Amino acid sequence: AQTVTQSQPEMSVQEAETVTLSCTYDTSESDYYLFWYKQPPSRQMILVIRQEAYKQQNATENRFSVNFQKAAKSFSLKISDSQLGDAAMYFCAYRSALSFGNEKLTFGTGTRLTIIP
Amino acid sequence: ETGVTQSPTHLIKTRGQQVTLRCSSQSGHNTVSWYQQALGQGPQFIFQYYREEENGRGNFPPRFSGLQFPNYSSELNVNALELDDSALYLCASSLPGSLQETQYFGPGTRLLVL
Repeated sequence: AQTVTQSQPEMSVQEAETVTLSCTYDTSESDYYLFWYKQPPSRQMILVIRQEAYKQQNATENRFSVNFQKAAKSFSLKISDSQLGDAAMYFCAYRSALSFGNEKLTFGTGTRLTIIP
Repeated sequence: ETGVTQSPTHLIKTRGQQVTLRCSSQSGHNTVSWYQQALGQGPQFIFQYYREEENGRGNFPPRFSGLQFPNYSSELNVNALELDDSALYLCASSLPGSLQETQYFGPGTRLLVL
């Protein structure tokens, strides 16, 4: 069974600074997807960024980028130029690339990010 | 394009009762997944429906059941409610074969069992 670990329950960063959230995972599969989701106080889980394991290039979405280290099974999220609206719980999630019957997301326990004005 | 919607937003039930939660998938999505998120935890996979058939189940007892309808909307039913069933229930829809089959989430239903 796959597991996802987020070892930082809480993080804080000054507005406009850069912060990195950590995520490690355990799997015996070679092909899979990794995701970062953001959950603000409104509760809705919002996709931040996704990465395919077969791609060596790290995904980037505007101010958000990942550092994907497949051999180390590490998938960290870097937020540049932090904004007040980035304050939320951030969840790392794993999904097997096998289809039909194996599409569940396995989540970590989350990191609460606080932005300091 | 409409996103994933869920109803109701909040619900209070007593132990032993039954509850039905509803989810409308994002337009064009034929797969719906349900998750339970206890306070302070990450979501846990309950089950998934693809084209009206259950297509994978997490470690939840049979009193958690579901349905998917021809329009791909879905229901989650929980019988014989227990206090530990108090949680946020999230529904997510996806379309296999597109965009890494990313799951898009609804706003959730907060269930409180007294």
